[in-house]
This record gives sequence, structure tokens and C-alpha cells, in this order.
Amino acid sequence: AQSVSQHNHHVILSEAASLELGCNYSYGGTVNLFWYVQYPGQHLQLLLKYFSGDPLVKGIKGFEAEFIKSKFSFNLRKPSVQWSDTAEYFCAVNERGYQKVTFGTGTKLQVIP
Amino acid sequence: DGGITQSPKYLFRKEGQNVTLSCEQNLNHDAMYWYRQDPGQGLRLIYYSQIVNDFQKGDIAEGYSVSREKKESFPLTVTSAQKNPTAFYLCASSMSQLQPSNYGYTFGSGTRLTVV
Repeated sequence: AQSVSQHNHHVILSEAASLELGCNYSYGGTVNLFWYVQYPGQHLQLLLKYFSGDPLVKGIKGFEAEFIKSKFSFNLRKPSVQWSDTAEYFCAVNERGYQKVTFGTGTKLQVIP
Repeated sequence: DGGITQSPKYLFRKEGQNVTLSCEQNLNHDAMYWYRQDPGQGLRLIYYSQIVNDFQKGDIAEGYSVSREKKESFPLTVTSAQKNPTAFYLCASSMSQLQPSNYGYTFGSGTRLTVV
């Protein structure tokens, strides 16, 4: 069965530190990949997505993610985090051609001023 | 502004009662979804609907029911058969009927259901 693993459940960083959140998926076919963010008290929002082409995807607010097919990974990165990046981040995977999107368990990021 | 409206924001239910959560969208999206969010478990798919009058079970459909009589509306009923209903419920929609997830989801603000 398709699954998504986010190994970091809770990450605490100081402002200006670099961020990398891990995401690995189990499905071996063609996939679409997503990162969603949920700021405190707000809706889940799409941060970035990968369907095809350049494996380095840039999203909103300075975030980027790299799709490494050989490692079944889609890690989220940001060179310098801000206090306003405090949120919960979800990786999600969809098998191309199917409706279902599988979400990871989420990573809570806390940025300390 | 277009979006998804979920109501109510907080809901309390007595054990043994059915309760219906509302989800309305004005985005003209074809597909709609219900997810359940529990701490440490991420989002799990309950039901989804690609078009009006059609819906499919997700991973954890037991104890839930849905209807899709109108494109804009996708209510979720949590029945008394659901053994652990206390959770945060999220409704989502997406644009394309053929490849709905290509465009990402738009999420509602959620309903927190507590069984007392």
C-alpha cells in the first residue's frame, strides 16, 4: 500500500537557521508530490507541488523541495527560517491517474526568535 | 472570495447520536473530500466524490456516510457506529474531475467534533 513517511515529528530551530524536513514515500510508480502547511489557527495551504520536469521545485515564502526518484524522497528546504514559519508541514503523494492523495503524519516546526 | 465553508467550527455530540458536518464550496470544483486529522496520524481519507450523486469510500469510511446531491455541498454524517469519533474533520475540494490532485486541494477551516 502507498505510504508517506515524515520522520521528524517535531523540529525546533532558531531564526535564520536552515531547514530540511524529510519525506519518503513507498510507491514505485509515477507520482505527484505535494507539501502543505498549516499555520496555527489557519487552513491547510498548498506550499508547493511536483508533477514533472525540474526535480527542484520552488514554492511560496522561499520554500523549495527536491524530488529524488532513486531515494523516493521529496524533502522540503528553506535556507533561513523565520518565526512566521512556525507551523505544521505535511507531505502528500498521489499516484498519477488516481484520485487518492496520501498524507504523511506531519512535522511540527517551531521557530524560536 | 471563493472558498470552502465548514460548519460548525466546534461540535459536541453525545454518545449514540448521529451528527452531520457541513461542507460547502463556491469554487465550482468537481471533486470533494473528507479527511480526519488526529495528532500524530496526519490526514486520513474518509470519503471522496468526483461528481454529483457519486462518491467512494476512503481508507476509514466505517461509521461515516456522505451525500453529494449538489456540486457545492458534501455533508458528512458521523454515525453512532463510529467507535472513536472525537477528531478534527477537514473538507477539501479540487478542480479537475480527471486529475483532481494535479491542482492541489483547497481546504476548509475544519470542524472539531467532541463526543461527550
